[in-house]
Amino acid sequence: AQTVTQSQPEMSVQEAETVTLSCTYDTSESNYYLFWYKQPPSRQMILVIRQEAYKQQNATENRFSVNFQKAAKSFSLKISDSQLGDTAMYFCAFTGGSEKLVFGKGTKLTVNP
Amino acid sequence: DARVTQTPRHKVTEMGQEVTMRCQPILGHNTVFWYRQTMMQGLELLAYFRNRAPLDDSGMPKDRFSAEMPDATLATLKIQPSEPRDSAVYFCASGLLGTEYEKLFFGSGTQLSVL
Repeated sequence: AQTVTQSQPEMSVQEAETVTLSCTYDTSESNYYLFWYKQPPSRQMILVIRQEAYKQQNATENRFSVNFQKAAKSFSLKISDSQLGDTAMYFCAFTGGSEKLVFGKGTKLTVNP
Repeated sequence: DARVTQTPRHKVTEMGQEVTMRCQPILGHNTVFWYRQTMMQGLELLAYFRNRAPLDDSGMPKDRFSAEMPDATLATLKIQPSEPRDSAVYFCASGLLGTEYEKLFFGSGTQLSVL
């Protein structure tokens, strides 16, 4: 069974600084997708970034980028120039192609002014 | 923008009552999920459908929960009878899984309180 582990229940960062959230996963699949979702206090789940396992290039979306290490089964999220609006729960998720989406337990990120 | 629509947004009910939550997935998506979110357990997968057929409902308490997809525009999650431990936020999500466009879009959730 696929599992996703987020080892940092809570993190904090100063505004304008950079923070990295960790995620590891376990799978025997060779082709799969990885995601980071953001859940602000409004509770809406928002897709932040997506990575296809067959692509070696790390995905980036503006201030958000990932460090995808396939051999190590690691998928960390880097937030640059942190903003107050980045305060939220962040969930790492995995899907093995046509399989169900599995989530980690989440990391609560607080951006301090 | 296309989005997943969930109703109701909030529901307060008494123990023993039936609760029905509805979800309208994004048109054209082939997969619909129901998740439950609590502080203790995080996001738990309850059930999911591929092309309206139930694929996995192993996360649901079978004696009281049921999930159906009567047509491509409607997914329902029912709890009968409801219990206080069912209090949680229930999310519906839809996506085009198994394709190069693989990603999930979530509804705003139904916050359920069972008294």
